[in-house]
Amino acid sequence: DAGVTQSPTHLIKTRGQHVTLRCSPISGHKSVSWYQQVLGQGPQFIFQYYEKEERGRGNFPDRFSARQFPNYSSELNVNALLLGDSALYLCASSLGLDRGRRETQYFGPGTRLLVL
Amino acid sequence: AQSVTQLDSQVPVFEEAPVELRCNYSSSVSVYLFWYVQYPNQGLQLLLKYLSGSTLVKGINGFEAEFNKSQTSFHLRKPSVHISDTAEYFCAVSDYAGGTSYGKLTFGQGTILTVHP
Repeated sequence: DAGVTQSPTHLIKTRGQHVTLRCSPISGHKSVSWYQQVLGQGPQFIFQYYEKEERGRGNFPDRFSARQFPNYSSELNVNALLLGDSALYLCASSLGLDRGRRETQYFGPGTRLLVL
Repeated sequence: AQSVTQLDSQVPVFEEAPVELRCNYSSSVSVYLFWYVQYPNQGLQLLLKYLSGSTLVKGINGFEAEFNKSQTSFHLRKPSVHISDTAEYFCAVSDYAGGTSYGKLTFGQGTILTVHP
């Protein structure tokens, strides 16, 4: 079975540009979460979506936005990129039952974004 | 708000030796606890999780962890490590109190385990 897939794997952008990252969850999973992992740190929660609705948002500026599509895939958008946005962006999926609290989140390999 | 502290940023150990990776958490509500492993250039893989019941949890690859509520700890152990266990390990919590909580994971800073031959 296919796991969580993310595209692209690597991306280089310059300051001020916009970027879109994509995620396809495991088949049957209805919840998608996004995390940012800066080098040398643990992942930080950005968003969680369930059934196309935003369920939660972490402490990130409005430059970060996301959406979930009817097929449960998701996009993370970042506007006006800053050098500090350079990180590994991880997508995780889960079934979404019981608001996802007890569930295992299955992570994709991530998209490594470098902002110059 | 929750926080997770992994007390060791790096742990070097020789092959076949035992290892313990320490994790403490802080939360005003009850939590679920997780350990994930990240191999170089890969995403995170779940090792084990504590939801309820027995405080000793067994996971994949011979790892186990013990939940200690009084000490707010969830240390990860393995009795005999292999070269292939070299990776970064993350402790994480998600809260379950209240109708508004959801499966948001709060991670520690990570512990790099290096197994030497």
